[in-house]
Amino acid sequence: AAGVIQSPRHLIKEKRETATLKCYPIPRHDTVYWYQQGPGQDPQFLISFYEKMQSDKGSIPDRFSAQQFSDYHSELNMSSLELGDSALYFCASSLGLAGSTYEQYFGPGTRLTVT
Amino acid sequence: AQSVTQLDSQVPVFEEAPVELRCNYSSSVSVYLFWYVQYPNQGLQLLLKYLSGSTLVKGINGFEAEFNKSQTSFHLRKPSVHISDTAEYFCAVTVPSGYSTLTFGKGTMLLVSP
Repeated sequence: AAGVIQSPRHLIKEKRETATLKCYPIPRHDTVYWYQQGPGQDPQFLISFYEKMQSDKGSIPDRFSAQQFSDYHSELNMSSLELGDSALYFCASSLGLAGSTYEQYFGPGTRLTVT
Repeated sequence: AQSVTQLDSQVPVFEEAPVELRCNYSSSVSVYLFWYVQYPNQGLQLLLKYLSGSTLVKGINGFEAEFNKSQTSFHLRKPSVHISDTAEYFCAVTVPSGYSTLTFGKGTMLLVSP
């Protein structure tokens, strides 16, 4: 079965640079969530989109922005990168805001390293 | 707001022994509960979930969990673990009427040795 696709899988950037992470949800899934997992930490919710509109917002820095496109894929744009942004960034998708099962399907993550 | 507490950061256990990973939650409203597993350098995989109904939930890979509303707990158990169960386990909650954003616990590293 098709899963959530994230690209790139690994990304190395320098401080103050910009990064763009992409997420392709499971086909027919219309909701996308972004989570940030720092080293040895639990995943922290950043932002979510439902039907191309922002549905919820968590601890996302102002330097970050995201959007969901007409084909439901999503991009997380990160500017003025800081060392503390080094983390694993997960995308998850679901069918509907909650769906019938409340299940979120996670992608493999993008490991961002800021040097 | 909801919160999740996983009391053990690491649980070492021998192969074929039983294991219990503890999870307690705090919420002023009803919640749905989940256990996810994360193998090294991989994403999160859903093990099992509790939405309603029977408080004993069975998941994949032989895991089960029991929802206890009075103790606000959702402990994960397996009667006999394998080396391949070595991974990080996260307990998570969401609010049924919300946007199903997940709030995770800090995780428990299960270390299975021969």
